[in-house]
Amino acid sequence: GQNIDQPTEMTATEGAIVQINCTYQTSGFNGLFWYQQHAGEAPTFLSYNVLDGLEEKGRFSSFLSRSKGYSYLLLKELQMKDSASYLCAVSFGGYNKLIFGAGTRLAVHP
Amino acid sequence: GAVVSQHPSWVICKSGTSVKIECRSLDFQATTMFWYRQFPKQSLMLMATSNEGSKATYEQGVEKDKFLINHASLTLSTLTVTSAHPEDSSFYICSGRSGGSQETQYFGPGTRLLVL
Repeated sequence: GQNIDQPTEMTATEGAIVQINCTYQTSGFNGLFWYQQHAGEAPTFLSYNVLDGLEEKGRFSSFLSRSKGYSYLLLKELQMKDSASYLCAVSFGGYNKLIFGAGTRLAVHP
Repeated sequence: GAVVSQHPSWVICKSGTSVKIECRSLDFQATTMFWYRQFPKQSLMLMATSNEGSKATYEQGVEKDKFLINHASLTLSTLTVTSAHPEDSSFYICSGRSGGSQETQYFGPGTRLLVL
């Protein structure tokens, strides 16, 4: 079966750093994605990891360990606009289907 | 780049009617398009995978006769919700993938369906 776990909610302070973890068990693995979704809007692409290690892109970094079935998204210098849901998704199969975790709702406070 | 549009963004309809939602890739050719459904405070659930010129592949539990998918060209896929009922009210989102080594799916803005 397919299973992706991530925390339901997190809170953090403006300017701080927050790490959102994701663990997965899937039949097949083509890569792992992180998406940001604001309420009522479609997801927007943040990062993609296919090899182990850290991918850095500005204030956002994503890490992957395939042997552990584990990833995290690191957000630095948090801003109020970073308050959103963060979705971990695993790509698998010939068509690179995505299965999504339930999402982590992040609230950034002043 | 990699823009996907959806139309309409909002639709309200009476129970028993059919609703068609269009998904277009504006600046790339989407060899594969995906349709998702998202209920409030839940994550995206994949409904079906659509490849241009072939029949869609539906996920377990999704009725193919109720959710008709057509992927007539490399830039257009449509989802028709037939005989809609209130329980079909949801946020429907499509995504496109250009194929080859391109892994990333790009999402449309979504269509909010309310069935009365």
